[in-house]
Amino acid sequence: KAGVTQTPRYLIKTRGQQVTLSCSPISGHRSVSWYQQTPGQGLQFLFEYFSETQRNKGNFPGRFSGRQFSNSRSEMNVSTLELGDSALYLCASSLAVGVGETQYFGPGTRLLVL
Amino acid sequence: QKEVEQNSGPLSVPEGAIASLNCTYSDRVSQSFFWYRQYSGKSPELIMSIYSNGDKEDGRFTAQLNKASQYVSLLIRDSQPSDSATYLCAVNSGGYQKVTFGTGTKLQVIP
Repeated sequence: KAGVTQTPRYLIKTRGQQVTLSCSPISGHRSVSWYQQTPGQGLQFLFEYFSETQRNKGNFPGRFSGRQFSNSRSEMNVSTLELGDSALYLCASSLAVGVGETQYFGPGTRLLVL
Repeated sequence: QKEVEQNSGPLSVPEGAIASLNCTYSDRVSQSFFWYRQYSGKSPELIMSIYSNGDKEDGRFTAQLNKASQYVSLLIRDSQPSDSATYLCAVNSGGYQKVTFGTGTKLQVIP
């Protein structure tokens, strides 16, 4: 089975721009979660989507948004980029049949905001 | 108080020794606990998951969970230089796939 894929792998943007990141989960997985990882803050939960609905949300400003499509693929959007948004953005997928199931991570998208 | 706490390390152990990694969490209703390994520049990969009190063994890895003490640990036996990485403790804090990660413990295995 193919793993979680994320595109693009690397991205350079300037302040004020917006960016869209994509995640394709493992086949059959219906839940996609997004995380931001920075050296100072570690891995922080952004949001989780299941069956095209946002089920959980972390403590991030409204500039961070996402969506999930009927094929479980998910996109994450960050508007009005700030320097502090430079980070590794990871998505993780799971079957999500029950609570707290194992998540499998993609390779990440490294975003640099100049 | 952080929800999931880990000592940032680095924890240095000689090759062949037992490495002991610890994690405490604050939410008493947490049900699912995970250990991930992350090599520099890579994404986290799952090592172990544990849901019940006690020990769970998988090869050289043993996860230990004590819900009364809100404590979960990972033991790595016969540590190898290839085990050198950052180990992340993760806790499901109540909402389906809403998982909180600790900041990780960096492990260095000295040949």
